[in-house]
Formats: sequence, C-alpha cells, structure tokens
Amino acid sequence: GDSVTQMEGPVTLSEEAFLTINCTYTATGYPSLFWYVQYPGEGLQLLLKATKADDKGSNKGFEATYRKETTSFHLEKGSVQVSDSAVYFCALSGKAAGNKLTFGGGTRVLVKP
Amino acid sequence: DTAVSQTPKYLVTQMGNDKSIKCEQNLGHDTMYWYKQDSKKFLKIMFSYNNKELIINETVPNRFSPKSPDKAHLNLHINSLELGDSAVYFCASSQQQGVTEAFFGQGTRLTVV
Repeated sequence: GDSVTQMEGPVTLSEEAFLTINCTYTATGYPSLFWYVQYPGEGLQLLLKATKADDKGSNKGFEATYRKETTSFHLEKGSVQVSDSAVYFCALSGKAAGNKLTFGGGTRVLVKP
Repeated sequence: DTAVSQTPKYLVTQMGNDKSIKCEQNLGHDTMYWYKQDSKKFLKIMFSYNNKELIINETVPNRFSPKSPDKAHLNLHINSLELGDSAVYFCASSQQQGVTEAFFGQGTRLTVV
C-alpha cells in the first residue's frame, strides 16, 4: 500500500540555521504531496503542497519540490526562527491512494534562540 | 470564525464508559474525516464520509461508530472505552474526495482512566 517515510526527530537547531526534513513516499499512480505543520496544542495546518512532478510548493519561507524520480518531497527552510518549532508531517493523497491522506510519522523540530 | 470545530477539546473518562465527540465544518466541504493521533504523534485515518455516505472505514474496532447527520457534521461515538483509546482525535474536511487539501480541527484529547 501507499506509505510515507520521513526522518525521525527531534531535530534541534539554532535560530537562523538551515532546516531540511527528508520525506520519501511509495505510491501507485501520481499522488499529490503535502507538508502539514502542527504547533503545540493545535491541529494540523497545511504548510505547502505539490500536485505533480517537478512542482515546487512554497509558503512562509519553506519549500519542497516533488521529485518523481527519487519519490521524494524534502522540506527546506533557509533560516529558521523559534516560532518554527513544531511537528512537521509529510503526506500524500489521491485516487490511487484511496482518497485519503496518508501521513508520515512526523518530525519534531525545536529551534533554540 | 472557526472552519472545523470539535467539541470537547479535552475528555477524561473511565474505562467502560460511552462518549461522543462532535465535529462541525462551515467550509461547505463535501468530505469529512476522523483521524487518530497516538502518543508518538502518528496519525491514522479512521473514517471518511462524503455527503453523509461512509466511504472509508479503516480497521477500527466496531466500538467506534461515526454518524453524519448532514454533510457539515461528523460525530464520533465510542462505546465501552478502553485504556488504549486514549489519544488525540482530529476531525478534518476537504472539498472533495481525493483530498486537494484537508482542514483540521483543533483535536480532542481523550484520556481513559
């Protein structure tokens, strides 16, 4: 079945450091790919998405590119802030994925001042 | 104005009790979901409804029964609660099946003692 694998955390960084969270997927067909973010005590919010190969999603300084050849959708940010501390989830969806979001295990990111 | 709202936010109850969690969305979406997030933050879909019709029912004990009185509401009733049911339950909605983007509620933290 479809699955998403992302790097385990926690990832601890200093402010203004570069952040990368790796995400790879296994899916039939051509799923849409998403990054969601969960701040402490809150629900998930969509951070960015890409719906086809080579699309780049971007939002709030975060970027991720849909790489079909490597089945990856790595999340990057050039300069993190303390307010970026959260849990980040990579996910996929689409008809072949059963019309549901399939999530990776989440990566906790802690940014220290 | 909250897009997807769940009540209650916290629920503490004894083993063996029956409880319900309510969810409402004001986005006009056709599809609604229930997800369970365990203590390690892993998210797994439980149910999905499209226009009041059940379309996804993952391997969930039949003590869990969703009910959708209309497409804006999806409630979750749990019978004979067990310790292992302790988790955060998230309601979500999306415009259509296939999930272009899902909007999540703030979650209900259920603790069974």
